[in-house]
Amino acid sequence: KQEVTQIPAALSVPEGENLVLNCSFTDSAIYNLQWFRQDPGKGLTSLLLIQSSQREQTSGRLNASLDKSSGRSTLYIAASQPGDSATYLCAVRTSYDKVIFGPGTSLSVIP
Amino acid sequence: GAVVSQHPSWVICKSGTSVKIECRSLDFQATTMFWYRQFPKQSLMLMATSNEGSKATYEQGVEKDKFLINHASLTLSTLTVTSAHPEDSSFYICSAMDRAGEQYFGPGTRLTVT
Repeated sequence: KQEVTQIPAALSVPEGENLVLNCSFTDSAIYNLQWFRQDPGKGLTSLLLIQSSQREQTSGRLNASLDKSSGRSTLYIAASQPGDSATYLCAVRTSYDKVIFGPGTSLSVIP
Repeated sequence: GAVVSQHPSWVICKSGTSVKIECRSLDFQATTMFWYRQFPKQSLMLMATSNEGSKATYEQGVEKDKFLINHASLTLSTLTVTSAHPEDSSFYICSAMDRAGEQYFGPGTRLTVT
């Protein structure tokens, strides 16, 4: 059974710092992995989607990597801003129709 | 990109009443839709998979008689929380899968049962 974990559960950094969020999954047989952002009381905003054949994806200050063999993905945020404060969820698509979410990392960027 | 909407975005209801939440794919057809629930400070948990024209498949521990799912068309799935209780208060999110197999998530519906 696929399990998805995220470390750390919460993170607080000063503005301008670079940071890394981690996501681990137990079964390397995945379709893709997606990183989402969720603001308090709001829905999901898709940040990056990495297909199983890809190693990384980049969008602006965000870079996500995928290492299937080790069951890990990282989300790198460069030059963090207070507006980056949110909960970040990674979601692993384990089959055609199953998506398993991690518990999330709550990020606070302090001005 | 593909857009999925949910209605309402938030709803407050009294204990014992039923509430219907709609999930629509606005610019594509979705043969399969998914319903997730998120409790405060927790991640999203899949509740059920909804296939157009057939019965929904519920995850273990989800009461199918309490959470009625109807997927009557290729662009609409509904989730009805019957005889709602305060413990049903949660954030409900749907996703819709297009013909290419890509999933798109709705903005969510916050349900509060008083």
